[in-house]
Amino acid sequence: GAGVSQSPSNKVTEKGKDVELRCDPISGHTALYWYRQSLGQGLEFLIYFQGNSAPDKSGLPSDRFSAERTGGSVSTLTIQRTQQEDSAVYLCASARGRAEAFFGQGTRLTVV
Amino acid sequence: GDSVTQMEGPVTLSEEAFLTINCTYTATGYPSLFWYVQYPGEGLQLLLKATKADDKGSNKGFEATYRKETTSFHLEKGSVQVSDSAVYFCALSGDGATNKLIFGTGTLLAVQP
Repeated sequence: GAGVSQSPSNKVTEKGKDVELRCDPISGHTALYWYRQSLGQGLEFLIYFQGNSAPDKSGLPSDRFSAERTGGSVSTLTIQRTQQEDSAVYLCASARGRAEAFFGQGTRLTVV
Repeated sequence: GDSVTQMEGPVTLSEEAFLTINCTYTATGYPSLFWYVQYPGEGLQLLLKATKADDKGSNKGFEATYRKETTSFHLEKGSVQVSDSAVYFCALSGDGATNKLIFGTGTLLAVQP
């Protein structure tokens, strides 16, 4: 596709359930980022993939959060045993090396 | 490590006023610098960028100059419009091995008619 695609666009889940969020980056982009944005807040870095290098997981808030990137393309962010404080918009972005990043529209996660 | 510091908001201006949003950075080497904008209810989009010292990025009447000597990348616009109301994020991508994209905390701009 022409841009970064994220799915689902909205997700409502019960506390304690696991969720998977998907990101399809722009073809050929080697870098992929996940960020979290809570209402009225800035961008919280979660994880960064760059080519075949080991991912930078330094922003993951707890061991309930994990992410993988298969074949250097699609990425899945998994949140296990969701908590209400996980409610936020999860943003994915991709970039070609050091060039500007392009963002998807985000997945709005609501934990009830 | 690399970091970005931008001025706290909200910034409230009247239409046609001059805008400056300050951004300074800490990084080794020569990072690339960016301003992103997030309009209400929308995703982030690139506003402008500069990849080397003294470069000026510009778009939609906004400008920012990469100042290596002051490690700054301040965003300016000569005459703001109500439609410029948004959150503005300064960001950098380092030139090291990881070149991770690092964002400032964002500055909310509200332009009143």
